[in-house]
Amino acid sequence: TQLLEQSPQFLSIQEGENLTVYCNSSSVFSSLQWYRQEPGEGPVLLVTVVTGGEVKKLKRLTFQFGDARKDSSLHITAAQPGDTGLYLCAGGPRNTGNQFYFGTGTSLTVIP
Amino acid sequence: EAGVTQFPSHSVIEKGQTVTLRCDPISGHDNLYWYRRVMGKEIKFLLHFVKESKQDESGMPNNRFLAERTGGTYSTLKVQPAELEDSGVYFCASTTGTGAYEQYFGPGTRLTVT
Repeated sequence: TQLLEQSPQFLSIQEGENLTVYCNSSSVFSSLQWYRQEPGEGPVLLVTVVTGGEVKKLKRLTFQFGDARKDSSLHITAAQPGDTGLYLCAGGPRNTGNQFYFGTGTSLTVIP
Repeated sequence: EAGVTQFPSHSVIEKGQTVTLRCDPISGHDNLYWYRRVMGKEIKFLLHFVKESKQDESGMPNNRFLAERTGGTYSTLKVQPAELEDSGVYFCASTTGTGAYEQYFGPGTRLTVT
């Protein structure tokens, strides 16, 4: 069972464009993290959101946690080639245990 | 500060053989997680250590997988005997304490079972 659904799965855009990646679930999470992963490396944490409705900004990246703590979005403004990578959301822990659940990821390519 | 390290980076073994993966967490991190990503699927939780104790091993696929963390420092994940479906990338992550959300991942071990 896939607890976290990410969309889109693949995204190819031109440099300078804006984009939004979504992470949705029917379950409530204590927190939600966004990671970026590059080939041959492990995921690198970008941000953690813990409060429903929370918005965090990291330079050109804006992260939002849904009011019900079931979904999140990542918005990138004026994408650059260096933003290319696999973006993963992860939620947890839940009341049922300490584990974290990952989405399948969004593969972003920014074309110069 | 050194990050999470994993060894080996790649392993190719035949079906039926044994493989042991190693993870060295960030020094001082009591919590250690093992994850696996099978091609085309999401990263899935395998188990969670707090120091040397298994806190949650609900994600372990079957009894061919054995994880240990003697002394509460590095951890090993042994697969014996390996099957074709065990192929994937095995990640280790560590956090400072239970309830901490920021996980630091290692680069992963790519396991190929032929």
